[in-house]
Amino acid sequence: NAGVTQTPKFQVLKTGQSMTLQCAQDMNHEYMSWYRQDPGMGLRLIHYSVGAGITDQGEVPNGYNVSRSTTEDFPLRLLSAAPSQTSVYFCASSSPRGGSTGELFFGEGSRLTVL
Amino acid sequence: DAKTTQPPSMDCAEGRAANLPCNHSTISGNEYVYWYRQIHSQGPQYIIHGLKNNETNEMASLIITEDRKSSTLILPHATLRDTAVYYCIVRVDNDYKLSFGAGTTVTVRA
Repeated sequence: NAGVTQTPKFQVLKTGQSMTLQCAQDMNHEYMSWYRQDPGMGLRLIHYSVGAGITDQGEVPNGYNVSRSTTEDFPLRLLSAAPSQTSVYFCASSSPRGGSTGELFFGEGSRLTVL
Repeated sequence: DAKTTQPPSMDCAEGRAANLPCNHSTISGNEYVYWYRQIHSQGPQYIIHGLKNNETNEMASLIITEDRKSSTLILPHATLRDTAVYYCIVRVDNDYKLSFGAGTTVTVRA
């Protein structure tokens, strides 16, 4: 199992550009989510999904879109990048199935800089 | 979800036990206590969780007070690789919208 895979690991954008951060998991987890982490801060929830076709907003959703067409993939789209979106982005997944500890499995992060 | 309070930082000597406190005075009866850690900007890693009873695994022990208003994560023999930010989180079962505050920055010194 590769776990949770995020691409790209690093990205530099200009203000106004759009891009998609990819997240894929091979653990058949129903739940997936995106967080952002600014320097010296904790993680803030952007969007989450409890299954294919279902998404919902987290704490800081503005400027981001998500979709969940398959169980495996949960891409995060930046519509028009702003310097305030410079951050490290983490994707996570989990499963509520019986026997699970309920832990979140995190990817390695995608470091985004918006100039 | 109940909020948690953790000290911003603490130091620990290598080889000694590290005791990380967490206050969660407004915790509800159906909320679990979870601990994660984040090493050098990697993705957070699950450590342990519990509801009422004390728990132990290969990484750490979790001590929850009888009134459940506070807990302590114990790293029994801290190593330099345990230097990380440790997050204490409370959540209800099947609620995955976890909030990660600033956590406690633990520095293990040789």
